[in-house]
Order: sequence, then C-alpha cells, then structure tokens
Amino acid sequence: LAKTTQPISMDSYEGQEVNITCSHNNIATNDYITWYQQFPSQGPRFIIQGYKTKVTNEVASLFIPADRKSSTLSLPRVSLSDTAVYYCLSGDSGAGSYQLTFGKGTKLSVIP
Amino acid sequence: NAGVTQTPKFRVLKTGQSMTLLCAQDMNHEYMYWYRQDPGMGLRLIHYSVGEGTTAKGEVPDGYNVSRLKKQNFLLGLESAAPSQTSVYFCASRPFSGELFFGEGSRLTVL
Repeated sequence: LAKTTQPISMDSYEGQEVNITCSHNNIATNDYITWYQQFPSQGPRFIIQGYKTKVTNEVASLFIPADRKSSTLSLPRVSLSDTAVYYCLSGDSGAGSYQLTFGKGTKLSVIP
Repeated sequence: NAGVTQTPKFRVLKTGQSMTLLCAQDMNHEYMYWYRQDPGMGLRLIHYSVGEGTTAKGEVPDGYNVSRLKKQNFLLGLESAAPSQTSVYFCASRPFSGELFFGEGSRLTVL
C-alpha cells in the first residue's frame, strides 16, 4: 500500500499562502495524488487531484515534481474558514488500486 | 440527489450487543468504503467493496463484517460490540474513475 507522510499541524495567519507538503516515496506508476479537507464532525471532501506537474482549480493548486515522490497543496490567501484537517491520499483513481488508505493528515489552524 | 447517506447517525450500545450501520448512495458508484475515525486521528479503512456482491478487508477489519447485496447499499455489522469500537464511522463511495464522496458519519458509543 502506498503510504503518505504529512506534517501533523501548521499555523498560518489570515491572508497568507499556505503550502502543505506530502511525502509518498512508494507511489506507483498509476497512482494519482488527491487531497481532501475535513471539518470537525463532517466527512472529508475532495479538494484537488493530480498526476504530475501542476494542477489548479478555484480553491487550491497542487504541485507534483517530476519524481512524484512528494506533492504540495497550496492554499492562496487563507481565511479562518480554511481551518481544517487536510489529507493527502495516493491511489489509482481508475482500475487497479482500490484500497484507498489515509494518513493522519495535517491540522491547519488559521489565526486572525 | 442525496449523495451518500448513513443511518443511524448516533447509536449507543452495550458491550456484546450487535448492530448494523447502513450506507446508501444514489450516484451509481462502483466502489464503496467503510472507515473509522477515532478522536484526533485520521481515517482507517475497515472494509471496502469494488462491486455488488464483493467485499474485501482493509486495515482494521477485525470485529466487523460487511455485505453489499445491492450496488447502492453497503452494510457494516458489529456482531459483538466492544468499547474499543467506540468511534465515528464514515462511509464513502466513488465511481470507477474519480474521487471519494463521504457521508456525514455515524457516531457509535459502546459502553
């Protein structure tokens, strides 16, 4: 099983850009990297997914270097509502790796 | 379109009692998952299913059983509940190619 490693926690002030890095040294060729956000008492929700280079959507960017052994989630100009736990997940979004396992996640605290 | 619905949302059991958690999805997804999340911890995979009539063990399957008799439903059973199974249980589904969609969670307390 592909395992991921993230920092346990991070603090940031409102308005700053936050970068959360995930290590996935044993990532398989077909694996995508997906990030989820979880608020207290809620199920995680999808943020962004990528395979290589850079992906950007309306809420975040995802940077994946050429060796794909790590990835960085970038949240521009965070607000208090971005306080949550962020999970990095590697796995095949198509056929193949069905067993999707989560790491411990990164608890982001945004400070006013 | 309700997405992923879990029932019940809250339940209190005594040690040794049995119960079943129901997960229903209306998105025609192939894959379904059961996770548990303990306070301050990440999600741990209990069992998963890649299609109707199939199930497989995840990271922490002991003490749980599952069934997927219909594509839209994934049941998680506890035959003899233990205090160590006190947790929040999340069900998720995903299509053949795509991200996970989670339910709101079921909070189980075993006394």
